[in-house]
Amino acid sequence: AQTVTQSQPEMSVQEAETVTLSCTYDTSESDYYLFWYKQPPSRQMILVIRQEAYKQQNATENRFSVNFQKAAKSFSLKISDSQLGDAAMYFCAYPMYSGGGADGLTFGKGTHLIIQP
Amino acid sequence: NAGVTQTPKFRILKIGQSMTLQCTQDMNHNYMYWYRQDPGMGLKLIYYSVGAGITDKGEVPNGYNVSRSTTEDFPLRLELAAPSQTSVYFCASSTHEEDEKLFFGSGTQLSVL
Repeated sequence: AQTVTQSQPEMSVQEAETVTLSCTYDTSESDYYLFWYKQPPSRQMILVIRQEAYKQQNATENRFSVNFQKAAKSFSLKISDSQLGDAAMYFCAYPMYSGGGADGLTFGKGTHLIIQP
Repeated sequence: NAGVTQTPKFRILKIGQSMTLQCTQDMNHNYMYWYRQDPGMGLKLIYYSVGAGITDKGEVPNGYNVSRSTTEDFPLRLELAAPSQTSVYFCASSTHEEDEKLFFGSGTQLSVL
């Protein structure tokens, strides 16, 4: 079974500092995508960033970047210059691949990110 | 562009009652999903559909039913509500063409008392 593990239930960072959220996953696939979703108090699930496994370059979206280590099956999210609006639950997600493709995403349990002003 | 629309946003049910959570998308996505999110947990897949007339079970399908008569709509039915079904329910869709990213609705908070 494909699993996604987020080992940090909660993280706290000072405003304007940098924080890294960890994620590891288990897979036998060689080509796949990985995702980070943000869930603010509004409850809406928002896609933050995605990574294609066959690409060597780590994905970047403005202040958000990933450290993708394929051999270690690690996919961490780095948030630079943290802002109060970054406070949210962050979920790492991996596709549930079966013989004919993926049947949805499997999610980690999430990391609650607190931004200290 | 409305995206994925879920109704209602909140609902309280009594044990044994039934209800249907509505989900519609206007992006012409073939793939649609229902997830539930329990407090402090990630999302777990209940049912999914790869197109009109085709549905399949996810990780936690017991106590739920779905149908997919059109590309746009994917309702989730609870027949005999139980306290264990108290959760936030999310509907999502995807194109399934390039990658597997999901577009989510805003969720339904359901309490069964």
